[in-house]
Amino acid sequence: GDSVTQMEGPVTLSEEAFLTINCTYTATGYPSLFWYVQYPGEGLQLLLKATKADDKGSNKGFEATYRKETTSFHLEKGSVQVSDSAVYFCALTHRGSNTGKLIFGQGTTLQVKP
Amino acid sequence: DAGITQSPRHKVTETGTPVTLRCHQTENHRYMYWYRQDPGHGLRLIHYSYGVKDTDKGEVSDGYSVSRSKTEDFLLTLESATSSQTSVYFCATRFTYESQETQYFGPGTRLLVL
Repeated sequence: GDSVTQMEGPVTLSEEAFLTINCTYTATGYPSLFWYVQYPGEGLQLLLKATKADDKGSNKGFEATYRKETTSFHLEKGSVQVSDSAVYFCALTHRGSNTGKLIFGQGTTLQVKP
Repeated sequence: DAGITQSPRHKVTETGTPVTLRCHQTENHRYMYWYRQDPGHGLRLIHYSYGVKDTDKGEVSDGYSVSRSKTEDFLLTLESATSSQTSVYFCATRFTYESQETQYFGPGTRLLVL
């Protein structure tokens, strides 16, 4: 079945450091890919998404490129801030799916220190 | 933000008691979902609904039932709570437009079963 694998955390960085959180997936067909962020005590918020190969999603300085050849959707940010400390989830769904079910990775905790 | 509220936000209950969690949305989205979040598992789908009185099971549906009598409300019931159902529960709705889709999440309900 479909699955999403994220790098294990926690990831601890200093402010202004470069961030990469790895995400790879296994799926049939051509899924849509998402990154969600969960700030402490809150629900999940959509951070960015990409719906086809080579698409780049971007938002708030974060970027991720849909790489079909490597089945990956790694999240990057050039300079992290303390306010980026959160849990990040990679997820996929199948476009046009009747259920719209999201399949999540296990989440990666990011802690940014001043 | 799709105007999703969940109630209660926190609940402590005892093993064997029934528990009902409520999700309310204001955006008239057709699809609604219940997920549970557990460490190391990300979010997993419990049940979903594709319309009033139309529901189906997700991957971890045992011990849970749902009902949807109105578009805006989706109820999750634990028939007889067990300690393994201690978790954080998230409701979500699905917005679709042409080939694009996004799921929006509520703030979560933290449930502790003693």
